[in-house]
Amino acid sequence: NAGVTQTPKFRILKIGQSMTLQCTQDMNHNYMYWYRQDPGMGLKLIYYSVGAGITDKGEVPNGYNVSRSTTEDFPLRLELAAPSQTSVYFCASTARSGRDEQYFGPGTRLTVT
Amino acid sequence: AQSVAQPEDQVNVAEGNPLTVKCTYSVSGNPYLFWYVQYPNRGLQFLLKYITGDNLVKGSYGFEAEFNKSQTSFHLKKPSALVSDSALYFCAVRGRSYNTDKLIFGTGTRLQVFP
Repeated sequence: NAGVTQTPKFRILKIGQSMTLQCTQDMNHNYMYWYRQDPGMGLKLIYYSVGAGITDKGEVPNGYNVSRSTTEDFPLRLELAAPSQTSVYFCASTARSGRDEQYFGPGTRLTVT
Repeated sequence: AQSVAQPEDQVNVAEGNPLTVKCTYSVSGNPYLFWYVQYPNRGLQFLLKYITGDNLVKGSYGFEAEFNKSQTSFHLKKPSALVSDSALYFCAVRGRSYNTDKLIFGTGTRLQVFP
């Protein structure tokens, strides 16, 4: 199993541009998550999904959108990039609610200038 | 509301010495508790978790953690540190009373093991 894969690894955007961060897992996990990691701030939940067709907001959803059309894929969309969205983005998945650990992708480092 | 505190931004320890990375939490009811490690330019990797049962939990790479309900703590420990243990460590908590699977992460503690 490849686990959780994310593309791209790095990206530089200009203010106002849009992009999609891709996330795919091959473990047949129902639960998927998007986090952002800022220095000294830990991880903040952006959006999550409990299954195909179901998504919900996390702590910091503003400026982002998600969709979940399949179990495997959970893309994160930035519509109008702002410097405040400069961060490292991690996708994660887990099999069951609560007691199971989350599996993380390698991350996407995004810079908005 | 759920919260996690990691009071130390950095912990320094000499190789071969025991290490402790501290974590305290606040949730309603009994918690699920997790430790993750992050190496440079990598995603988080699961180390260990407390769900129920024995308060001393053993995990990967020789790490262990002790759940202390009265002190609402879940400190990460290792009897003998290695230079290769140097990384960023995150504690995370989820309360059982919540219907959704959202982990709350601490801000992380950087462990530096010196030769």
